[in-house]
Amino acid sequence: GENVEQHPSTLSVQEGDSAVIKCTYSDSASNYFPWYKQELGKGPQLIIDIRSNVGEKKDQRIAVTLNKTAKHFSLHITETQPEDSAVYFCAASRGGSYIPTFGRGTSLIVHP
Amino acid sequence: NAGVTQTPKFQVLKTGQSMTLQCAQDMNHEYMSWYRQDPGMGLRLIHYSVGAGITDQGEVPNGYNVSRSTTEDFPLRLLSAAPSQTSVYFCASGKTGQETQYFGPGTRLLVL
Repeated sequence: GENVEQHPSTLSVQEGDSAVIKCTYSDSASNYFPWYKQELGKGPQLIIDIRSNVGEKKDQRIAVTLNKTAKHFSLHITETQPEDSAVYFCAASRGGSYIPTFGRGTSLIVHP
Repeated sequence: NAGVTQTPKFQVLKTGQSMTLQCAQDMNHEYMSWYRQDPGMGLRLIHYSVGAGITDQGEVPNGYNVSRSTTEDFPLRLLSAAPSQTSVYFCASGKTGQETQYFGPGTRLLVL
């Protein structure tokens, strides 16, 4: 089955800095890579996703990149703000599978 | 739409007791799943369902039972609670053709 590794487990940055979270996956057939944000006391919520036919996708201050050859993908947050503080999960799944495999999560702390 | 709802929000059990965690969604989603979240372990899949009457095991199914008699509801039953089942439980749903998972707010369970 799929195995998703996520690093780092904790990331501490100053407000305004950039943050990068990296994930690797094992199943070369995986073609959908979502990122979820979990705020304290809440369930995870999708913030951005990328498919294997795209190398990069941006949405305002967040971007995801995908390297299919190396089987890794990353989340980039620029100009971080305190409200970006949360746990972020990467995930991977095959087309037609609606049950993704999640990474272990990254706790992002943005210091004002 | 209320989205995905879970009850109760918090529960304390004694070892050996049984209980049912409730999950409901009003989005007419075909897919529903249960995850547990433990520190450093990410989101681990317990059971999932691809439609009413159809369920399957995930990564950590032991000690849990599920059924899906309606599209809307997907209860998770703990047959005989153990301290190792102390965790935060999330229910999620998704629609065929859309890979986004919609998570509920979670149930925090403490087994003494």
